[in-house]
This record gives sequence, structure tokens and C-alpha cells, in this order.
Amino acid sequence: DAKTTQPPSMDCAEGRAANLPCNHSTISGNEYVYWYRQIHSQGPQYIIHGLKNNETNEMASLIITEDRKSSTLILPHATLRDTAVYYCIVRAPGGSGGYNKLIFGAGTRLAVHP
Amino acid sequence: DTGVSQNPRHKITKRGQNVTFRCDPISEHNRLYWYRQTLGQGPEFLTYFQNEAQLEKSRLLSDRFSAERPKGSFSTLEIQRTEQGDSAMYLCASSVTGGGNTIYFGEGSWLTVV
Repeated sequence: DAKTTQPPSMDCAEGRAANLPCNHSTISGNEYVYWYRQIHSQGPQYIIHGLKNNETNEMASLIITEDRKSSTLILPHATLRDTAVYYCIVRAPGGSGGYNKLIFGAGTRLAVHP
Repeated sequence: DTGVSQNPRHKITKRGQNVTFRCDPISEHNRLYWYRQTLGQGPEFLTYFQNEAQLEKSRLLSDRFSAERPKGSFSTLEIQRTEQGDSAMYLCASSVTGGGNTIYFGEGSWLTVV
């Protein structure tokens, strides 16, 4: 799996958008970008994933650049409960004949403050 | 609750004792993963099952560690002759086979070896 690069920490004011960047310059054509977060002492929580197009769900939006070498996770209105470590992971699809585990890096520690 | 369930959530044991953790995956998820996470680090992959078959083991999984998934449903992770370095959170995750196959994590089992 391709490696990703994320800033070690970021701050965000409550109510503002949090934009978390991720570089994945060696991503392959069939590899997806996944985002998970981990709130202190809990298991990782799936947020969103995408291949080429931008994606949005009830938790966040994922913006992937046209060359797919970087992406941004957007939390549109951050709350104190969004304080967590956010992991950007590149992963090939498993398909019926294989599988692909998630390989975690150090992630970005996001602190949302009042 | 239909998520991944792990028991016990917390375990304190004396060095040299054996411990066992149980994981109940999401219903009908045939893929099951174990990870380990120490303080300040991202989760590290330990092993993977598809149904009852253990298909991959990390080098982190020393011979004191054994994982089973006898009927392709729940799984157990046993650590024999525990050492202080085994203190960590042990995470279980599951997914389906095929397209998407997003991996969902449990809340983890904390192990403290004293």
C-alpha cells in the first residue's frame, strides 16, 4: 500500500471547518483513499473513502485532487467531539480473490477548541 | 448493538500469566482482523482471518500469541506468558468480502501487564 503523509497536529475553532490534508504521491490507479478517526481510548471509526471523485456523507467531505496525489478531509462545522486522531490510509480494493488490510501511520491529532 | 464486540474491555494481569480476548464481528462479516496499539502509535496489524482460515500473520505475532476463529464467527486472541511489553490495546475489526469491504473496528481490549 502507498504511504501517506499527514501533519502531526492541527487546531480548529469550534464551529469552523476543519480541513485535514493528506499527501499520497505514490498512489496507484486502483487504490482508494480511506479516512478513519480515533477518539481517545476508543477503536478507530470509519469516516469516508473515495477513489477519484469527491465524496460526501453525514460526517465529512473528501476532496481528492485530479492527479490523486493528495486529498483533504473536511469536517464542515467542527465540534469539541471531533477532537481525535485522524488517519488517512491508501488501500487497494480487496475484491473476491484477495483482501487488503489497513496500514495505519501516525495520523493527524486534531484539537477543536471553544 | 450490531457493531464489533470485544471482551473483556480491560484486563490487568501479572507477568507470566495467560490472557484471552474475544471478538464477535459484525454479523455475516467473513473477514476478521486483529490489531495492536500502544500509546501514541497507530494500530499495527497482527493477523487476518477469512472465515475460519488464518491467512496472514504479522511478524509482530510472536509464538506466545495465538489467534483462532474455529467456526468462522467469533475469534479469540490468546497471549501466553505475558510480558510487560504486551501492554497495549488489542483491536478487532471485521469486513465483508468484495467491493467496498470497509473495515469496522471494535472498541478494543486494554491489556496491562504488571
